[in-house]
Amino acid sequence: SQQGEEDPQALSIQEGENATMNCSYKTSINNLQWYRQNSGRGLVHLILIRSNEREKHSGRLRVTLDTSKKSSSLLITASRAADTASYFCATEARMDSSYKLIFGSGTRLLVRP
Amino acid sequence: DTGVSQDPRHKITKRGQNVTFRCDPISEHNRLYWYRQTLGQGPEFLTYFQNEAQLEKSRLLSDRFSAERPKGSFSTLEIQRTEQGDSAMYLCASSLRGISSYNEQFFGPGTRLTVL
Repeated sequence: SQQGEEDPQALSIQEGENATMNCSYKTSINNLQWYRQNSGRGLVHLILIRSNEREKHSGRLRVTLDTSKKSSSLLITASRAADTASYFCATEARMDSSYKLIFGSGTRLLVRP
Repeated sequence: DTGVSQDPRHKITKRGQNVTFRCDPISEHNRLYWYRQTLGQGPEFLTYFQNEAQLEKSRLLSDRFSAERPKGSFSTLEIQRTEQGDSAMYLCASSLRGISSYNEQFFGPGTRLTVL
């Protein structure tokens, strides 16, 4: 079963605009990760934020984490058509010795040229 | 290219046939994971190896599924007596857990299985 929900399920924006995606999860975590998946292909790791971190940046990406609300957000600034993809959050649960990832259901982002 | 390869990329089979998929992880990675992803959903965990030991299996992994990782290198996932419900993308990922590292998993391109 999925760990959490992502919101919105789908998002359509104009190139140059910012895109914000939200993720909620259920259990205590070691870290939360965001992945991108282009249509029908493998997942690409974007960014990892640890449970003791509140915000992290990587290029045009900004991730926030609120462990009290069990939620995270991914902001993509100055979007490009190439950012069109599905975005998934994934959590590594605390006390899980396998360190497996539990994924959300994803947000499908369309960036219109 | 993440460095994780999977073969084949696509497999079409008839219901009842057996299929086997292969995953080659990044060479120094000691952890290997299999996930399954159906259309419109996020990946779901199937099983996990640390070196050659299979340490966890999801309840999604019925007795028709078996996975191996001989010598702690490549891994195979076999599905016996395939059913139409097995149609999905099968993803392999590897990671290296060190003292200061966190579990960034590197995913392969996946094997898309279609059961007719």
